[in-house]
Amino acid sequence: TQLLEQSPQFLSIQEGENLTVYCNSSSVFSSLQWYRQEPGEGPVLLVTVVTGGEVKKLKRLTFQFGDARKDSSLHITAAQPGDTGLYLCAGSSNNAGNMLTFGGGTRLMVKP
Amino acid sequence: DAGITQSPRHKVTETGTPVTLRCHQTENHRYMYWYRQDPGHGLRLIHYSYGVKDTDKGEVSDGYSVSRSKTEDFLLTLESATSSQTSVYFCAISSPSIRYTFGSGTRLTVV
Repeated sequence: TQLLEQSPQFLSIQEGENLTVYCNSSSVFSSLQWYRQEPGEGPVLLVTVVTGGEVKKLKRLTFQFGDARKDSSLHITAAQPGDTGLYLCAGSSNNAGNMLTFGGGTRLMVKP
Repeated sequence: DAGITQSPRHKVTETGTPVTLRCHQTENHRYMYWYRQDPGHGLRLIHYSYGVKDTDKGEVSDGYSVSRSKTEDFLLTLESATSSQTSVYFCAISSPSIRYTFGSGTRLTVV
């Protein structure tokens, strides 16, 4: 069974601070995705990284896929209250059902 | 416009009653999934479908059944609801490039 562990589980910071969320596994994934979920809604895809060492930027969010394709990080610069939400990483291993393995999530609160 | 809709959004039911949740997509995607989300457990796969009448079990399938008679509809049935099935249920569809789109969820309470 492939597992993805996210850390930290909870994070409460002030507006303007920087933060990093980690997603780790002992398994190799063919791609890694990050989702953001707001209360009362389903997760929404932010980014997909597919190449070991790949870095993608989405405004103030920087996503990195580890060289060995076993881990990933999400870094937010100058966090805003609008960044508040649940961040989920999910790994794909080219299985027949297009199934994703989800991490447990990091709940982020950014206080004004 | 959303591409995927779930119904109902909220439901309260009594222990022992059958419950069916519906997921409808307009994207004509082959793959559809049912997840449950609980505090401390993240998203756990219940069942998935890879085509009409083609379904398979996920990680937490006990007590649940599914049916897919049309590409656009994927139904999740709790044959006899229990309190442990109180949860938020999400349906998802996957594009060929494994980009998931989730529904807005169904909050189910079994009393």
